[in-house]
Amino acid sequence: GPKVLQIPSHQIIDMGQMVTLNCDPVSNHLYFYWYKQILGQQMEFLVNFYNGKVMEKSKLFKDQFSVERPDGSYFTLKIQPTALEDSAVYFCASRHWDQDTQYFGPGTRLLVL
Amino acid sequence: DAKTTQPDSMESTEGETVHLPCSHATISGNEYIYWYRQVPLQGPEYVTHGLQQNTTNSMAFLAIASDRKSSTLILPHVSLRDAAVYHCILRVDGTGYQNFYFGKGTSLTVIP
Repeated sequence: GPKVLQIPSHQIIDMGQMVTLNCDPVSNHLYFYWYKQILGQQMEFLVNFYNGKVMEKSKLFKDQFSVERPDGSYFTLKIQPTALEDSAVYFCASRHWDQDTQYFGPGTRLLVL
Repeated sequence: DAKTTQPDSMESTEGETVHLPCSHATISGNEYIYWYRQVPLQGPEYVTHGLQQNTTNSMAFLAIASDRKSSTLILPHVSLRDAAVYHCILRVDGTGYQNFYFGKGTSLTVIP
C-alpha cells in the first residue's frame, strides 16, 4: 500500500537545541498530520496542515512547534527550543483529498536529554 | 480525556474469532468510528471505519451499536500476524479538515 516515510528514525538531542523531523508523505496527498505518542500512552493529535496552512492544532502544539512543507518537499515539524517533555515518538500521516483514510509513517523516536 | 475507552489487553488462540470492544459514550452524530492497528516500531495501519451501519472488509467486521455509543471490531480466524495494538478512534470533522482522536488501544496477544 501507500507508504509514508519519516527521517530520521531516531534522534537524540540536548534540551534547548532545535530539531527538525521530516516526513515524506504519499505522493498526491494534500492533507498532512503530526501526532505525538509518549511511551505507554495514547497517540495524541498535534496539528493538521493543508495548502500551506495549519488548519487546526491541539493544545499540545506549543509555540515552540512549527510546521511547513516548502515547495512540495518534506513536510517538517520543527521544535525550537526542545524541552525534556518533548521526548516521544512523533508520527506523520497524510491523506488524499477525496479519501477518508490517513496513512501513517513509522515514526521518529525523539529523545531530549 | 480520551473520547474512546478500550480494554488494555486481550488474548486469543490462533483460529479463533476475536471481539474487540470500544466504548464511545459521548460520540456526536457526525463523528465516524475508525479502527487502526499498530505493531512495534511501525505506525498505525488502517483496518476499517463506519458511521452507523455495520461494515465488513477483508480484514474485519465492524459492529456498531444502534445508539452508536459502542462498537466491536470482530477479527475472524486470527493468526499470529494479527497480534497488535488495536486503536479505536473517533474522527471529528471541521471546516476543511478531519482529525483523529485515539484511545489507549487494546493489545491483542495471539497464542499459537
